[in-house]
Amino acid sequence: DQQVKQNSPSLSVQEGRISILNCDYTNSMFDYFLWYKKYPAEGPTFLISISSIKDKNEDGRFTVFLNKSAKHLSLHIVPSQPGDSAVYFCAATDSGGGADGLTFGKGTHLIIQP
Amino acid sequence: GAGVSQSPSNKVTEKGKDVELRCDPISGHTALYWYRQSLGQGLEFLIYFQGNSAPDKSGLPSDRFSAERTGGSVSTLTIQRTQQEDSAVYLCASSTQRPSWEAFFGQGTRLTVV
Repeated sequence: DQQVKQNSPSLSVQEGRISILNCDYTNSMFDYFLWYKKYPAEGPTFLISISSIKDKNEDGRFTVFLNKSAKHLSLHIVPSQPGDSAVYFCAATDSGGGADGLTFGKGTHLIIQP
Repeated sequence: GAGVSQSPSNKVTEKGKDVELRCDPISGHTALYWYRQSLGQGLEFLIYFQGNSAPDKSGLPSDRFSAERTGGSVSTLTIQRTQQEDSAVYLCASSTQRPSWEAFFGQGTRLTVV
Protein backbone atom coordinates (compact mmCIF):
# COMPACT_ATOMS: atom_id res chain seq x y z
CA ASP A 1 0.00 0.00 0.00
CA GLN A 2 1.21 3.45 -0.91
CA GLN A 3 1.86 5.54 2.17
CA VAL A 4 2.77 8.61 0.12
CA LYS A 5 0.57 9.37 -2.86
CA GLN A 6 1.03 11.81 -5.68
CA ASN A 7 -2.16 11.40 -7.64
CA SER A 8 -1.19 13.52 -10.63
CA PRO A 9 1.37 11.75 -12.82
CA SER A 10 1.83 14.93 -14.83
CA LEU A 11 1.02 18.62 -14.72
CA SER A 12 1.35 21.25 -17.42
CA VAL A 13 1.68 24.93 -16.46
CA GLN A 14 2.36 28.06 -18.45
CA GLU A 15 5.61 29.90 -17.83
CA GLY A 16 5.13 32.66 -15.27
CA ARG A 17 2.10 31.05 -13.65
CA ILE A 18 1.91 29.19 -10.36
CA SER A 19 2.61 25.44 -10.28
CA ILE A 20 0.93 23.51 -7.48
CA LEU A 21 2.01 19.94 -6.85
CA ASN A 22 0.04 17.87 -4.38
CA CYS A 23 0.92 15.01 -2.09
CA ASP A 24 -1.14 12.95 0.36
CA TYR A 25 0.08 10.57 3.03
CA THR A 26 -1.59 7.92 5.14
CA ASN A 27 0.93 7.24 7.92
CA SER A 28 0.09 9.49 10.87
CA MET A 29 3.57 8.89 12.29
CA PHE A 30 5.20 10.83 9.46
CA ASP A 31 6.51 14.10 10.86
CA TYR A 32 9.05 15.32 8.30
CA PHE A 33 8.37 15.91 4.64
CA LEU A 34 10.59 16.71 1.71
CA TRP A 35 10.35 17.52 -1.96
CA TYR A 36 12.96 16.30 -4.41
CA LYS A 37 13.35 17.33 -8.03
CA LYS A 38 14.67 14.99 -10.69
CA TYR A 39 15.88 15.66 -14.22
CA PRO A 40 16.21 12.76 -16.70
CA ALA A 41 19.33 10.64 -16.23
CA GLU A 42 20.21 12.46 -13.01
CA GLY A 43 19.68 11.61 -9.38
CA PRO A 44 17.03 13.45 -7.37
CA THR A 45 18.10 16.73 -5.77
CA PHE A 46 16.71 18.06 -2.53
CA LEU A 47 14.44 21.05 -2.96
CA ILE A 48 12.67 21.96 0.26
CA SER A 49 11.44 20.34 3.47
CA ILE A 50 8.98 20.95 6.27
CA SER A 51 8.64 19.65 9.78
CA SER A 52 5.23 18.80 11.19
CA ILE A 53 5.58 21.58 13.75
CA LYS A 54 5.16 24.06 10.90
CA ASP A 55 2.46 24.53 8.33
CA LYS A 56 4.50 26.51 5.82
CA ASN A 57 8.08 26.79 4.69
CA GLU A 58 9.28 29.17 2.02
CA ASP A 59 12.51 29.29 0.03
CA GLY A 60 12.60 31.76 -2.81
CA ARG A 61 10.09 30.74 -5.47
CA PHE A 62 9.28 27.51 -3.62
CA THR A 63 6.78 27.19 -0.78
CA VAL A 64 5.62 23.99 0.87
CA PHE A 65 2.35 23.91 2.79
CA LEU A 66 1.43 21.19 5.26
CA ASN A 67 -2.10 20.38 6.41
CA LYS A 68 -1.67 17.76 9.11
CA SER A 69 -5.36 17.19 9.74
CA ALA A 70 -5.89 16.39 6.06
CA LYS A 71 -2.56 14.55 5.77
CA HIS A 72 -1.83 16.68 2.75
CA LEU A 73 1.06 18.78 1.57
CA SER A 74 1.61 20.86 -1.50
CA LEU A 75 4.51 22.50 -3.26
CA HIS A 76 3.94 25.89 -4.86
CA ILE A 77 6.33 27.29 -7.44
CA VAL A 78 5.86 30.96 -8.29
CA PRO A 79 6.58 32.08 -10.94
CA SER A 80 7.15 28.88 -12.89
CA GLN A 81 10.18 28.85 -15.16
CA PRO A 82 11.21 26.51 -18.02
CA GLY A 83 14.01 25.07 -15.88
CA ASP A 84 11.41 23.87 -13.41
CA SER A 85 10.33 21.19 -15.87
CA ALA A 86 11.24 17.97 -14.07
CA VAL A 87 9.76 15.13 -12.04
CA TYR A 88 8.96 16.15 -8.47
CA PHE A 89 8.92 13.56 -5.71
CA CYS A 90 7.24 14.01 -2.37
CA ALA A 91 8.88 12.09 0.49
CA ALA A 92 8.11 11.55 4.16
CA THR A 93 9.58 9.97 7.23
CA ASP A 94 8.95 9.28 10.88
CA SER A 95 12.04 11.09 12.08
CA GLY A 96 11.70 10.11 15.71
CA GLY A 97 10.71 6.53 15.08
CA GLY A 98 14.02 5.22 13.94
CA ALA A 99 13.13 5.18 10.27
CA ASP A 100 16.20 4.57 8.19
CA GLY A 101 14.97 5.83 4.88
CA LEU A 102 12.43 8.05 3.23
CA THR A 103 9.09 6.91 1.82
CA PHE A 104 8.61 8.41 -1.62
CA GLY A 105 5.60 9.03 -3.80
CA LYS A 106 5.60 8.03 -7.48
CA GLY A 107 6.34 11.54 -8.64
CA THR A 108 4.63 14.22 -10.70
CA HIS A 109 6.09 15.25 -14.05
CA LEU A 110 5.85 19.03 -14.24
CA ILE A 111 5.98 20.55 -17.72
CA ILE A 112 6.39 24.31 -18.01
CA GLN A 113 5.11 25.59 -21.32
CA PRO A 114 6.55 28.75 -22.86
CA GLY B 1 34.74 13.73 -5.07
CA ALA B 2 32.34 16.56 -5.75
CA GLY B 3 29.23 14.42 -5.63
CA VAL B 4 27.95 10.89 -5.17
CA SER B 5 29.33 8.69 -7.93
CA GLN B 6 27.76 5.45 -9.08
CA SER B 7 29.08 2.87 -11.49
CA PRO B 8 28.28 1.56 -13.94
CA SER B 9 25.72 4.06 -15.19
CA ASN B 10 24.08 1.33 -17.27
CA LYS B 11 24.19 -2.43 -16.94
CA VAL B 12 22.51 -5.03 -19.11
CA THR B 13 22.73 -8.56 -17.79
CA GLU B 14 21.28 -11.94 -18.54
CA LYS B 15 18.72 -13.44 -16.21
CA GLY B 16 20.42 -15.62 -13.63
CA LYS B 17 23.73 -13.73 -13.61
CA ASP B 18 25.09 -11.83 -10.61
CA VAL B 19 25.66 -8.08 -10.74
CA GLU B 20 27.54 -5.67 -8.53
CA LEU B 21 26.70 -1.99 -8.32
CA ARG B 22 29.08 0.51 -6.80
CA CYS B 23 28.54 3.74 -4.93
CA ASP B 24 31.17 6.32 -3.99
CA PRO B 25 29.60 8.73 -1.49
CA ILE B 26 30.63 12.31 -0.88
CA SER B 27 33.83 12.38 1.14
CA GLY B 28 33.09 12.67 4.86
CA HIS B 29 29.47 11.56 4.60
CA THR B 30 28.91 8.86 7.19
CA ALA B 31 25.37 7.89 6.17
CA LEU B 32 24.74 6.04 2.91
CA TYR B 33 21.44 4.88 1.44
CA TRP B 34 20.40 2.63 -1.42
CA TYR B 35 17.07 3.12 -3.18
CA ARG B 36 15.64 1.70 -6.37
CA GLN B 37 13.11 3.10 -8.80
CA SER B 38 11.19 0.65 -10.92
CA LEU B 39 9.35 1.85 -14.01
CA GLY B 40 6.41 4.05 -13.07
CA GLN B 41 7.13 3.76 -9.38
CA GLY B 42 8.51 6.01 -6.70
CA LEU B 43 11.82 5.46 -5.01
CA GLU B 44 11.87 2.35 -2.83
CA PHE B 45 14.19 2.35 0.18
CA LEU B 46 16.49 -0.67 0.28
CA ILE B 47 19.14 -0.24 2.95
CA TYR B 48 20.95 2.33 5.05
CA PHE B 49 24.55 2.34 6.33
CA GLN B 50 25.87 4.36 9.22
CA GLY B 51 29.60 3.97 8.87
CA ASN B 52 30.14 0.37 7.82
CA SER B 53 27.16 -1.12 9.56
CA ALA B 54 23.62 -1.56 8.30
CA PRO B 55 21.28 -1.72 11.30
CA ASP B 56 18.27 -2.75 9.27
CA LYS B 57 18.34 -4.92 6.17
CA SER B 58 14.62 -5.60 6.04
CA GLY B 59 14.13 -3.27 3.09
CA LEU B 60 16.09 -5.52 0.78
CA PRO B 61 13.56 -7.19 -1.58
CA SER B 62 14.90 -10.74 -1.23
CA ASP B 63 17.86 -12.74 0.01
CA ARG B 64 19.37 -12.42 -3.47
CA PHE B 65 20.19 -8.83 -2.53
CA SER B 66 23.11 -7.93 -0.29
CA ALA B 67 25.10 -4.80 0.38
CA GLU B 68 28.29 -3.92 2.11
CA ARG B 69 30.29 -0.85 2.88
CA THR B 70 33.98 -0.77 3.63
CA GLY B 71 36.16 1.89 5.23
CA GLY B 72 33.10 4.01 5.84
CA SER B 73 33.20 4.97 2.20
CA VAL B 74 32.50 2.89 -0.91
CA SER B 75 29.44 0.64 -0.92
CA THR B 76 28.50 -2.21 -3.21
CA LEU B 77 25.04 -3.60 -3.81
CA THR B 78 25.11 -7.16 -5.10
CA ILE B 79 22.19 -8.91 -6.75
CA GLN B 80 22.60 -12.65 -7.22
CA ARG B 81 20.77 -14.72 -9.81
CA THR B 82 19.13 -11.64 -11.32
CA GLN B 83 15.49 -11.77 -12.36
CA GLN B 84 13.63 -9.57 -14.83
CA GLU B 85 11.75 -7.87 -11.98
CA ASP B 86 15.12 -6.60 -10.70
CA SER B 87 15.26 -4.24 -13.69
CA ALA B 88 15.21 -0.73 -12.26
CA VAL B 89 17.33 2.32 -11.60
CA TYR B 90 19.36 1.81 -8.43
CA LEU B 91 20.13 5.06 -6.64
CA CYS B 92 22.66 5.70 -3.94
CA ALA B 93 22.58 8.71 -1.61
CA SER B 94 24.74 9.99 1.18
CA SER B 95 24.45 12.53 3.96
CA THR B 96 26.60 13.95 6.70
CA GLN B 97 24.82 12.25 9.54
CA ARG B 98 21.60 10.65 10.50
CA PRO B 99 19.01 11.91 10.78
CA SER B 100 19.75 14.06 7.82
CA TRP B 101 17.04 13.42 5.37
CA GLU B 102 18.34 15.94 2.87
CA ALA B 103 20.60 13.43 1.23
CA PHE B 104 22.62 13.88 -1.94
CA PHE B 105 21.86 11.35 -4.66
CA GLY B 106 24.06 9.87 -7.34
CA GLN B 107 22.91 9.65 -10.95
CA GLY B 108 21.91 6.02 -10.52
CA THR B 109 22.67 2.72 -12.24
CA ARG B 110 20.09 1.60 -14.78
CA LEU B 111 19.94 -2.19 -14.56
CA THR B 112 18.23 -4.15 -17.31
CA VAL B 113 17.83 -7.90 -16.93
CA VAL B 114 17.13 -9.66 -20.22
